Amino acid sequence: AQKVTQAQTEISVVEKEDVTLDCVYETRDTTYYLFWYKQPPSGELVFLIRRNSFDEQNEISGRYSWNFQKSTSSFNFTITASQVVDSAVYFCALSDLNTGTASKLTFGTGTRLQVML
Amino acid sequence: DARVTQTPRHKVTEMGQEVTMRCQPILGHNTVFWYRQTMMQGLELLAYFRNRAPLDDSGMPKDRFSAEMPDATLATLKIQPSEPRDSAVYFCASGPIAGGPKIVETQYFGPGTRLLVL
Repeated sequence: AQKVTQAQTEISVVEKEDVTLDCVYETRDTTYYLFWYKQPPSGELVFLIRRNSFDEQNEISGRYSWNFQKSTSSFNFTITASQVVDSAVYFCALSDLNTGTASKLTFGTGTRLQVML
Repeated sequence: DARVTQTPRHKVTEMGQEVTMRCQPILGHNTVFWYRQTMMQGLELLAYFRNRAPLDDSGMPKDRFSAEMPDATLATLKIQPSEPRDSAVYFCASGPIAGGPKIVETQYFGPGTRLLVL
């Protein structure tokens, strides 16, 4: 069975600090996909990144970066120079092909990030 | 800027009433998902469709919930009769045609329907 663990329930930082959100996953499949979504206070879920299990290159997009390490089954998310607008709940999610022909997502419980002035 | 749309955005109803939530997937997307989000359970998959055919609804209480796709531009989720424990945010998500048998495409979420059953 697949599982996603986000051990950090809530993180508070002061603006301009760097912050890393942890994500650890479990799957028996060798082919799988990992995702990060952002849920701001307005409530919608916003897609941030998708990464497949064969691509372990780290990715950077502006102030966001992602570190994928298969050896530790982790897909961590770092925000550099955090801003108040980054305040949201961030979800890590996993989809593997054991679940059938469609892309079922298993979500972690989310990490609430609060960025203060 | 293509988006998934959901109606209504908010719904307050009384126990026992029928509730219908609607979703318009992104044009061209062939996979539609229904999720429920609660504080206790987090995000749970209720059902999903591919090319309008239901593939899995094992996450849905069968006795009161039903999901359909009357056409490619409309997905519905109905609760009849509704109960207070159904209070949650219901999200619809859609995804494009997978690029291959071993490829999982990204799901794009709508804004959700916030349901309160009194």
